[in-house]
Formats: sequence, structure tokens, C-alpha cells
Amino acid sequence: DGGITQSPKYLFRKEGQNVTLSCEQNLNHDAMYWYRQDPGQGLRLIYYSQIVNDFQKGDIAEGYSVSREKKESFPLTVTSAQKNPTAFYLCASSSGQVGDQPQHFGDGTRLSIL
Amino acid sequence: KNEVEQSPQNLTAQEGEFITINCSYSVGISALHWLQQHPGGGIVSLFMLSSGKKKHGRLIATINIQEKHSSLHITASHPRDSAVYICALSGGGADGLTFGKGTHLIIQP
Repeated sequence: DGGITQSPKYLFRKEGQNVTLSCEQNLNHDAMYWYRQDPGQGLRLIYYSQIVNDFQKGDIAEGYSVSREKKESFPLTVTSAQKNPTAFYLCASSSGQVGDQPQHFGDGTRLSIL
Repeated sequence: KNEVEQSPQNLTAQEGEFITINCSYSVGISALHWLQQHPGGGIVSLFMLSSGKKKHGRLIATINIQEKHSSLHITASHPRDSAVYICALSGGGADGLTFGKGTHLIIQP
């Protein structure tokens, strides 16, 4: 079955450490997205990529970095510069622009600070 | 930036009741999405609509573009419908969705 796989499901970060969240899709989608969810708030866009080797900052990109070397993969690195990284992170993809096509979501990664 | 307001924030109902969740927004959009988030966190896309009404099983979504308002209805609600329902907007560009805070629905047996 086609879908989006996020790993790990749970992740713990120590002070000063960078951690990378994995997102892989086998839907052959061009567009991929990273969102952050905090309790009581709507999801917020961190980064998005419309095509391989290209990505754009979203609303809350500070302290995060991404790469898009392959169509199937869009990993997110939470750097030590992100002072409040504890949140639920969701990866999504779509076959076209979000005004034209529904988004497909992974099951998320829950990141906590040790 | 588009503001998204969902109501109610929390809703508890008995099995079999007709459920309505509302979503209002401030700026014109290209499409509105209704999403369902299960307790484990995974999100499923229920509907994407830009006009009129869509139906899938016991779920119905409507949108009024002029009034900038959408509703999600659940008929003959069941405990397995318990989830967070999220309204999200797309402005037609490539930069992802704008999300409401969600409606936490609990259906009691």
C-alpha cells in the first residue's frame, strides 16, 4: 500500500543535540511538507518542498533544516538552535498544489527533551 | 493571513446523535479541507471542497463561499467517530495549509 512513513515514532533530544526525523513516501508525490503541532494549537508549517533539490521556509522555520535529495525522502533536522522543540511533528505530501489535491499525512513523530 | 475559527472546541454526544462541526475563515480560499486526527496522532483527509457539498458514508461536508463558512456533519454517530476534526484552508499557492485548532469529539455509547 502507498503511504507516508515517519520514523521514529518517539524521539528524545538532549541539550545541544541535533536530531533528524525521517519522512519517506512511496506515493510518487512531488510536494512534501513538515508541520509542527503543539497542544491547543493548529498545525503550523515548518518547511515545504515542491520538487527535488528545492525547498522553502514555512511560518516557523527557525531552528530547523531540511533536505530533498530524493523525491521519496524529506528529512527534518531539529537543531540545537530550536529552543522549544518538544512537539508532535507531522510529514505530509500531495501530488500537486494543496489547492488542487488532498494532502496525505504520516503518523507523526513525538519529540521530547531529556 | 487567513484566520480559521472552528466551533465547538469540544463536543461530547451520545451514540446515534447528529453531529455538526463548524469552520469559518476570513479570506477567500481555493479549497477547504476536513481532516480527522485519531488519538495516536495520525491524520486522515476526509474531504477537500471548493463549493457545494460532498458526502462519504455518514459524513457530509458543505461550504458556503460567500459566507466563508463550512460545516462537517456526522449522521448516526458512533463511538469510533471519536477523534479530533480539523478544518484547513489552502489559498491556491504551494505553501501548505492553514489549520484550525480542531474540534475534539467524543461519542459515548
